[in-house]
Amino acid sequence: SQKIEQNSEALNIQEGKTATLTCNYTNYSPAYLQWYRQDPGRGPVFLLLIRENEKEKRKERLKVTFDTTLKQSLFHITASQSADSATYLCALGSGGKLIFGTGTRLQVFP
Amino acid sequence: EAQVTQNPRYLITVTGKKLTVTCSQNMNHEYMSWYRQDPGLGLRQIYYSMNVEVTDKGDVPEGYKVSRKEKRNFPLILESPSPNQTSLYFCASSAGLALFFGPGTRLTVL
Repeated sequence: SQKIEQNSEALNIQEGKTATLTCNYTNYSPAYLQWYRQDPGRGPVFLLLIRENEKEKRKERLKVTFDTTLKQSLFHITASQSADSATYLCALGSGGKLIFGTGTRLQVFP
Repeated sequence: EAQVTQNPRYLITVTGKKLTVTCSQNMNHEYMSWYRQDPGLGLRQIYYSMNVEVTDKGDVPEGYKVSRKEKRNFPLILESPSPNQTSLYFCASSAGLALFFGPGTRLTVL
């Protein structure tokens, strides 16, 4: 069955450093991959989308890569700020279905 | 303000008592979807709708019904709720691939 793996351990990082989150998947060939941010008690918020034929996408301090051979996406936040502390979800999509990973909690400390 | 609204936000009910969670969006989106979020399992898709009168099952449709009679509304119906449907439910809509999520409905079935 399809499986998406995100590091369940929280990622702790110092302000100003680059945070890198990983999303691995198996038994799936998604047409696109998305990253969302979720704060406690709130709905996820869309951040970035990358399609299967794209290698990299950037938006301000965010960068996502997509390697369909390795079946992996990396999500980078450069110059991390305390306001970036949240849970980050990756999601794989094809057609009308979007499958989410369980998310990685990022804690940015001073 | 562009938004997805859900009602109620919190609900405690008993096993077997039919309930409906409403979802409405004001963005004229064709696509709408329901997810449930459980610790350790992440967001799992229940049902989705590509347009009015078009609905399809997600990964965990058992015990749920939906209808899409109008573009803006996509209610989730639990005909006979059971304790294993205790969860945090999110409705989402989309005009393309990025999902806009509602604030969530926390349901407890006793």
